[in-house]
Amino acid sequence: GESVGLHLPTLSVQEGDNSIINCAYSNSASDYFIWYKQESGKGPQFIIDIRSNMDKRQGQRVTVLLNKTVKHLSLQIAATQPGDSAVYFCAEKEGGKLIFGQGTELSVKP
Amino acid sequence: EAQVTQNPRYLITVTGKKLTVTCSQNMNHEYMSWYRQDPGLGLRQIYYSMNVEVTDKGDVPEGYKVSRKEKRNFPLILESPSPNQTSLYFCASSSGTLQKRHFGPGTRLTVT
Repeated sequence: GESVGLHLPTLSVQEGDNSIINCAYSNSASDYFIWYKQESGKGPQFIIDIRSNMDKRQGQRVTVLLNKTVKHLSLQIAATQPGDSAVYFCAEKEGGKLIFGQGTELSVKP
Repeated sequence: EAQVTQNPRYLITVTGKKLTVTCSQNMNHEYMSWYRQDPGLGLRQIYYSMNVEVTDKGDVPEGYKVSRKEKRNFPLILESPSPNQTSLYFCASSSGTLQKRHFGPGTRLTVT
């Protein structure tokens, strides 16, 4: 999950396994959440979003789950591939701003 | 191709020498914003703009200025850069605040 510190949380998975990346958000009034993927040397890339009136949303190989009771967001990646290796950020919308978590580094072992 | 472009991509400068990082998007997006990314601190918003001539402070606006005279451009201005502004900067745009942000490729700034 997301945490404060100089080192990113890391998650290492075997190719083909499912990955679950967790994120705790801070503002119970946030109404929109996004997951981004950032590969080395590139800008963040949108993966999937979810509004607060939903608790689950599915995309291609990805699912986002939202638990507003405990202010928790998760990203599930099915059949993880080497190309999924990256840093993953959750972000919550507060007014006109997006507040990002610090990110989790996903490493996929062949 | 829909994209956000930033220039320069890399810049090394000295303390106090004014600089501008340009950002341009070709998607006719109303919303644009600037972020800085630092190890251990993640992405933090500097300024954002909901439309032409409308700008607001983000979480870390000190030492920065922006302008939004045209819809497609949102330059970031450092009037007197200092070493603590050494960072990786990203510009982003979206069609609204509740829409996915398209990020530029980043500008790596070093202030000595």
